[in-house]
Amino acid sequence: EAGVTQSPTHLIKTRGQQATLRCSPISGHTSVYWYQQALGLGLQFLLWYDEGEERNRGNFPPRFSGRQFPNYSSELNVNALELEDSALYLCASSPGLYNEKLFFGSGTQLSVL
Amino acid sequence: GESVGLHLPTLSVQEGDNSIINCAYSNSASDYFIWYKQESGKGPQFIIDIRSNMDKRQGQRVTVLLNKTVKHLSLQIAATQPGDSAVYFCAENLQGAQKLVFGQGTRLTINP
Repeated sequence: EAGVTQSPTHLIKTRGQQATLRCSPISGHTSVYWYQQALGLGLQFLLWYDEGEERNRGNFPPRFSGRQFPNYSSELNVNALELEDSALYLCASSPGLYNEKLFFGSGTQLSVL
Repeated sequence: GESVGLHLPTLSVQEGDNSIINCAYSNSASDYFIWYKQESGKGPQFIIDIRSNMDKRQGQRVTVLLNKTVKHLSLQIAATQPGDSAVYFCAENLQGAQKLVFGQGTRLTINP
């Protein structure tokens, strides 16, 4: 069974540009979560989607947004990139509501120059 | 506030010894706790979880202990192996929030 897949593995952008990160959950999972992991730091919760709807959002500015498609895959968009957005962005999935155990992908390393 | 803290940022142990990684959580309303292992270049991998109605749970070579009185969580790894080298994160879920809050992580290094 395939795990959570993320693309691209690495992404290099310049300040002010937009970045789009993609995630495919484990087959059968309806919930997708996004976390930001800055170098040497823990995971900061960004967004949670379930059944196509945004269910919860972390303390990030509105330029961080996303969506979930009917096939449960998800995109994370970061507009007006800033240097401090450089981080590993991790996607995780779970079978659905009230299932707290998350399965993580390997992440997208975003570098903003 | 939202925080799950760790007592030690790094831990070095001899191969074959037991490792204990500690974690303090701040929210007494959290009802689910989980430990993840993150190796370099990889995403976090599930190790073991525990609900607040339990105080101990065992897996293969790992044990999680939960002390709700002092809001403390620990991960014990028996007979530590080189492959156990990684950063270990604890996380808590506030009842009903369905949002895991992660600690800063502890780097476990195994000495030969």
